[in-house]
Amino acid sequence: SQTIHQWPATLVQPVGSPLSLECTVEGTSNPNLYWYRQAAGRGLQLLFYSVGIGQISSEVPQNLSASRPQDRQFILSSKKLLLSDSGFYLCAWSVPAGGGNEQFFGPGTRLTVL
Amino acid sequence: AQRVTQPEKLLSVFKGAPVELKCNYSYSGSPELFWYVQYSRQRLQLLLRHISRESIKGFTADLNKGETSFHLKKPFAQEEDSAMYYCALRGSNYKLTFGKGTLLTVNP
Repeated sequence: SQTIHQWPATLVQPVGSPLSLECTVEGTSNPNLYWYRQAAGRGLQLLFYSVGIGQISSEVPQNLSASRPQDRQFILSSKKLLLSDSGFYLCAWSVPAGGGNEQFFGPGTRLTVL
Repeated sequence: AQRVTQPEKLLSVFKGAPVELKCNYSYSGSPELFWYVQYSRQRLQLLLRHISRESIKGFTADLNKGETSFHLKKPFAQEEDSAMYYCALRGSNYKLTFGKGTLLTVNP
């Protein structure tokens, strides 16, 4: 069966420090991968998505970047964190192509920037 | 552009009462609509999708293209239905656009 992991579960970082959040998927090949930010009162905002290794699309301009060094690994990064980067970050995957594909979400990472 | 509106941030009902979580969308093409749910301390997960036309945990949702709505309904709410509910739209690609969510509280 397929599983999706995220780490760390929680993270507290000072303003200006770098960030690296990792997401890995097991049990499937060539998944579509997604990074979302979930903020209270703002719902889920799609940040990045990827349809293959090295293929990243950004949805919103921001202080963050994403990379996909391996088929089932998706990394969210920042060189210098801002206070506004605080939030709950969710990784998700779906089966590539086709219609009506369900997205499966990871447990999330709670990031607090101080 | 795709847009999903959930007008109620909070919804509180008593156990056994009917519940309706509203969702309206904006999309020029033929959309696919979903409801996702997040129970306390659990992962966000799919509840139902309009193409399946199924009832999950007593919930149903009908796509009304005339009113551009996909409201989620349950005739008799249960305490275990308390959760955050997100409506989502998928357009011509695989990306989902989510609403801001409605926190449902079912009181005993």
